[in-house]
Amino acid sequence: SQQGEEDPQALSIQEGENATMNCSYKTSINNLQWYRQNSGRGLVHLILIRSNEREKHSGRLRVTLDTSKKSSSLLITASRAADTASYFCATDIFKAAGNKLTFGGGTRVLVKP
Amino acid sequence: DAGVIQSPRHEVTEMGQEVTLRCKPISGHNSLFWYRQTMMRGLELLIYFNNNVPIDDSGMPEDRFSAKMPNASFSTLKIQPSEPRDSAVYFCASSSEGAIEQFFGPGTRLTVL
Repeated sequence: SQQGEEDPQALSIQEGENATMNCSYKTSINNLQWYRQNSGRGLVHLILIRSNEREKHSGRLRVTLDTSKKSSSLLITASRAADTASYFCATDIFKAAGNKLTFGGGTRVLVKP
Repeated sequence: DAGVIQSPRHEVTEMGQEVTLRCKPISGHNSLFWYRQTMMRGLELLIYFNNNVPIDDSGMPEDRFSAKMPNASFSTLKIQPSEPRDSAVYFCASSSEGAIEQFFGPGTRLTVL
């Protein structure tokens, strides 16, 4: 089973609106990352939050992490049509060898112009 | 920087044929990952290497799949014999020493008829 599960599976919003998606995981983690995948492309790293952090910002992105609930959220503010993509959370599991990541199922975001 | 390079970008083959996918990681990166992405199973880690040595191959589906990394700048994923259920997009990713972020290639879309 997947370590990370995203919610919702799909999201449709108007340009300028905010998009929020959530990720839940099952076991203790070292770090949690969010990646974006445009259609037909590879994944691109967006932001990393460590297990001892609660919130992080990068441009229009805001990530929160609640280790007690084993969940994270990604907020994209003032969305643009170019933000249309799938978004994945990825966790590296505490004490796992190397930097192996486990990805969630992703949230498909459609930003309508 | 050229990024992670994968070839071919598309492969169409018939059931029973051997398929070889190739990956060139980013120069200086010492970890390399092979993933498979399908609609049904999402993004799955197949195998990863650290300093050219396979660390975890628990995600390799069965003996038909094999991966090698003969040197720091090249890796192959081979499927022999291929089956229709192997149809998927296969991604290669790399990361540098001590880093958690992974850099993905554009993927190889494999169709087995």
